[in-house]
This record gives sequence, structure tokens and C-alpha cells, in this order.
Amino acid sequence: DMVMTQTPLSSPVTLGQPASISCRSSQSLVHSDGNTYLSWLQQRPGQPPRLLIYKISNRFSGVPDRFSGSGAGTDFTLKISRVESEDVGVYYCTQATQFPYTFGQGTKLEIK
Amino acid sequence: EVQLVESGGGLVQPGGSLRLSCAASGFTFSHLWMHWVRQAPGKGLVWVSYINSDGSNTHYADSVKGRFTISRDNAKNTLYLQMNSLRVEDTAVYYCVRGGDGSIDYWGQGTLVTVSS
Repeated sequence: DMVMTQTPLSSPVTLGQPASISCRSSQSLVHSDGNTYLSWLQQRPGQPPRLLIYKISNRFSGVPDRFSGSGAGTDFTLKISRVESEDVGVYYCTQATQFPYTFGQGTKLEIK
Repeated sequence: EVQLVESGGGLVQPGGSLRLSCAASGFTFSHLWMHWVRQAPGKGLVWVSYINSDGSNTHYADSVKGRFTISRDNAKNTLYLQMNSLRVEDTAVYYCVRGGDGSIDYWGQGTLVTVSS
């Protein structure tokens, strides 16, 4: 199975400052169709997860442009340009390149 | 507006069975893959199962293979998860999730399954 490893597991951030989360996969996430099916999810406290970014860098509908994704192959990054209070929660990377789909352990974003 | 509404969760004894349902609306259900993902209390996300658009292809996590069965009724816009031989470690919130453009996009609110004696 593809192992997804996120760092850090906890990220205290000052409001208005940037934040960055890394995700590394145990194998390349490039699919045979040429796409890389790496996504980022946000889970606010008490809520279901919500898709933020798909195929490395595509923002999902309604996602603010302060969220951006980058990377290739096995190394990926989610960046928040200026953290707002509503960004508090747990962030997960996930791969849909091969079954079983797998998730990172989650990174808890909190305000300092 | 895409909506996914799960139902069927509850308390069941070890070895028991439950069937979860997910009513979908706001999109052409019969065109898209669907998934079940679970989350144990205070833990991370774990993918459980997938079904393709016409129900002819399925995949399962090793932890549920042979015990859980995913199915769908495209005429009723409904996804199902039949869970048999339930174990304490199956306790979790179960989410119905839509398969989008190479990702899993919309999530339901989830239904809690508790396996306990």
C-alpha cells in the first residue's frame, strides 16, 4: 500500500502568517494516464473533511486562493499564504493513484 | 447543490450486522464513482471501499474484505455498505464520499457505527 507521510504533525501559526505542510508518498503518485492524483483535505473541528486541492495544485470549488498546492512525484506541499482563524483544523493529504486510497496521518493547524 | 446523506448507523454487538445507506442528490449519481471512508473517534481517515458508476467494479480495504459489501442503486440515487461480522475496531464515523476528477470531492456528514457489547 502507498504510505503517505505528513510533516509536521502539529503546526502552531500566528494569524496572518504563512503555513506550510509537506506530504511524502512511499512511491511515485504518477498514474499510468499521466496524472498525479494527490489531494489535500481540510477537516474543521466537528465537521466532515472538505476537499481543498486536487491533482497537486487545482483548487476545488469555493476554496480561497490563499490555499495552494505544489509538488511532483513523491513530494508535495500545501501552503496557506496568510492563515485566518477559520483555517484551524486538521489537514490531510491523500492519494487516489492506486487502490487502496490512502491518507496521511493529518497535520493539526492551530493558532499561536 | 451536491448532497450526500448517510443513515443506518447505530450500536451493534460484535459479530452483528448493519447496512449503511447514502442518499445522493444534486448531481448525476449514475455517472460517478462512490466511496466509503471511515474515521475512528479521535483518529485519522481510512478509506474503506469503492464502487464504479454502474456497480460492476469494487475494491475494499484489506481490513474489511470478505465482511463488507458495497453496492448502489442508480435508480434510487443511493449507495450502500453492508457490514457483517462487525468487530470492535470497526467503530467509526462512516462517510459517503463522491469520486470526482481523480479525487474524492464531496463528503457527507457521516453516520456513527459503534460496535460494543
